[in-house]
Amino acid sequence: QKEVEQDPGPLSVPEGAIVSLNCTYSNSAFQYFMWYRQYSRKGPELLMYTYSSGNKEDGRFTAQVDKSSKYISLFIRDSQPSDSATYLCAFFKAGTASKLTFGTGTRLQVTL
Amino acid sequence: DAGITQSPRHKVTETGTPVTLRCHQTENHRYMYWYRQDPGHGLRLIHYSYGVKDTDKGEVSDGYSVSRSKTEDFLLTLESATSSQTSVYFCAISGRDSYNEQFFGPGTRLTVL
Repeated sequence: QKEVEQDPGPLSVPEGAIVSLNCTYSNSAFQYFMWYRQYSRKGPELLMYTYSSGNKEDGRFTAQVDKSSKYISLFIRDSQPSDSATYLCAFFKAGTASKLTFGTGTRLQVTL
Repeated sequence: DAGITQSPRHKVTETGTPVTLRCHQTENHRYMYWYRQDPGHGLRLIHYSYGVKDTDKGEVSDGYSVSRSKTEDFLLTLESATSSQTSVYFCAISGRDSYNEQFFGPGTRLTVL
């Protein structure tokens, strides 16, 4: 079983839709939960991070963590064509020389 | 943008030749990482460094070596390139020991013929 599972997509939605991106994980030692966004032919950039169960909101983006189910989500409200990118979940646990474990990424396309 | 550059940005080489990729940072961050990104596999860690001359293997280190003689430079070497090493290579840096926000470079697209 992989430590992290993420649906690769692609996911295509119309502009203005609510997008839900998800990852499941198996390692209960993960302490921080992150979402990176990667535009085509660019390096990933950190979008949001959280360390507790519950929701964290930043503008149109909401990160949700359910540690009991080992499930994290990223919601995008009022999606825009500029949100078209690949979204990678990432996980951090202490004592690992600051290494991250990444999901494979979900490709999102927001159409006009 | 975090000050990370990678060189070269694109390279085409032949099987069996040595290849060195360079990552340069201007942030004075302690940690540096080399990843490869392939369809269906996401980002996989090749090697990482936690200080000058301090390096360790990641999950896909076979066929790769690294060196870090200065804080700002982290080199990735393919001693004898193979077609399976055709990939996009990303360097990342981090200054934190906690949740570890990693800043990524622009990537190097390597093709091994």
